[in-house]
Amino acid sequence: NAGVIQTPRHKVTGKGQEATLWCEPISGHSAVFWYRQTIVQGLEFLTYFRNQAPIDDSGMPKERFSAQMPNQSHSTLKIQSTQPQDSAVYLCASSPRLGGQNTLYFGAGTRLSVL
Amino acid sequence: SQLAEENPWALSVHEGESVTVNCSYKTSITALQWYRQKSGEGPAQLILIRSNEREKRNGRLRATLDTSSQSSSLSITATRCEDTAVYFCATDGGGNNNAPRFGAGTKLSVKP
Repeated sequence: NAGVIQTPRHKVTGKGQEATLWCEPISGHSAVFWYRQTIVQGLEFLTYFRNQAPIDDSGMPKERFSAQMPNQSHSTLKIQSTQPQDSAVYLCASSPRLGGQNTLYFGAGTRLSVL
Repeated sequence: SQLAEENPWALSVHEGESVTVNCSYKTSITALQWYRQKSGEGPAQLILIRSNEREKRNGRLRATLDTSSQSSSLSITATRCEDTAVYFCATDGGGNNNAPRFGAGTKLSVKP
């Protein structure tokens, strides 16, 4: 079991460019989560899916951010027209089931730097 | 605003000492989880403590939960340099359909 795989590990974009981040959850896990990590805000919840269906995107900035899960083997987080304040580590996690009593298994993250 | 908050923001101890990280949360919960994140890695779960439990142990780690004061603590005994990491608590907001919410974390440094 390779764990949750996130690619790329590092991404550098120019201001105004698009960035797409990829996540491959652990096989058989039905819940997939996206978080954003900065020193100031810590781990901020963005969105999550259950059985590929979007359940809660209340943490997503309403403009420029979107997430999809086209199949059970991967999810993407897309940021359009990136801005310097989008610079952060984006973490993907998966869990066997939904609910606060289930462990989240995190990937190593994608560090996004917007110049 | 964060639903969970760890304090202090940072701690520094020497190897062999004990240390405690605290967590306060704002909503009802079914469980609270503690995670550790080492540099360059994603967070990894240390302990899950359910709302009807008061204490949970995992080796050198001990977590407590006080639902009346909406607080939890994580204690590490006989610290080692490899315990250097950021420690997070995460709450579920009391619902089975809620994603865990984390705080900003406590940065622990263990020095030789």
